[in-house]
Amino acid sequence: AQSVTQLDSQVPVFEEAPVELRCNYSSSVSVYLFWYVQYPNQGLQLLLKYLSGSTLVKGINGFEAEFNKSQTSFHLRKPSVHISDTAEYFCAVSRTGGFKTIFGAGTRLFVKA
Amino acid sequence: NAGVTQTPKFQVLKTGQSMTLQCAQDMNHNSMYWYRQDPGMGLRLIYYSASEGTTDKGEVPNGYNVSRLNKREFSLRLESAAPSQTSVYFCASSELSPGGSEQYFGPGTRLTVT
Repeated sequence: AQSVTQLDSQVPVFEEAPVELRCNYSSSVSVYLFWYVQYPNQGLQLLLKYLSGSTLVKGINGFEAEFNKSQTSFHLRKPSVHISDTAEYFCAVSRTGGFKTIFGAGTRLFVKA
Repeated sequence: NAGVTQTPKFQVLKTGQSMTLQCAQDMNHNSMYWYRQDPGMGLRLIYYSASEGTTDKGEVPNGYNVSRLNKREFSLRLESAAPSQTSVYFCASSELSPGGSEQYFGPGTRLTVT
């Protein structure tokens, strides 16, 4: 079975500062990894995903994530955040060939002026 | 394209009442899902339908039933609502398998059971 741990429940950061949201996963089989973003009162939308190949994945809105197999991590980064990045971010994992996606508990990113 | 639509947006039920949450997608996706979102717990899969004509249990199926009415529509039924089912419910869809496929989410239904 797969599991996902998001290491921070809330991350406050000032505008234009860099940010890293941490995600660790566990799985005994190959997995796909995802980051989704949820703005207030909306559904989730995909930021980026890692399927295979390059371990550095670039997504929308200037976000990127790095897959580290040895540390079983998939941390999300942005070099300079904006107020509009305030949202909840979910890391997710699915088994290759499987139908179930397991979501982490979420990290609330607060960007302050 | 409307994407994934859900009705209703809000609902208040009394304990023991029943209701059906409706979901429809217009992206010709094969797979559809129902999740519930609770504070500090992320999203948990209730049921999913890998393709038209099939449904399977997820992590938290107790107290729920589903129907894949056709390729577009996937409904979630609460037969006898309980306060523990107070939550935000999201429907999602994807191409054949989520393994590698992005899931597209509806806007959610906020359900309160008193």
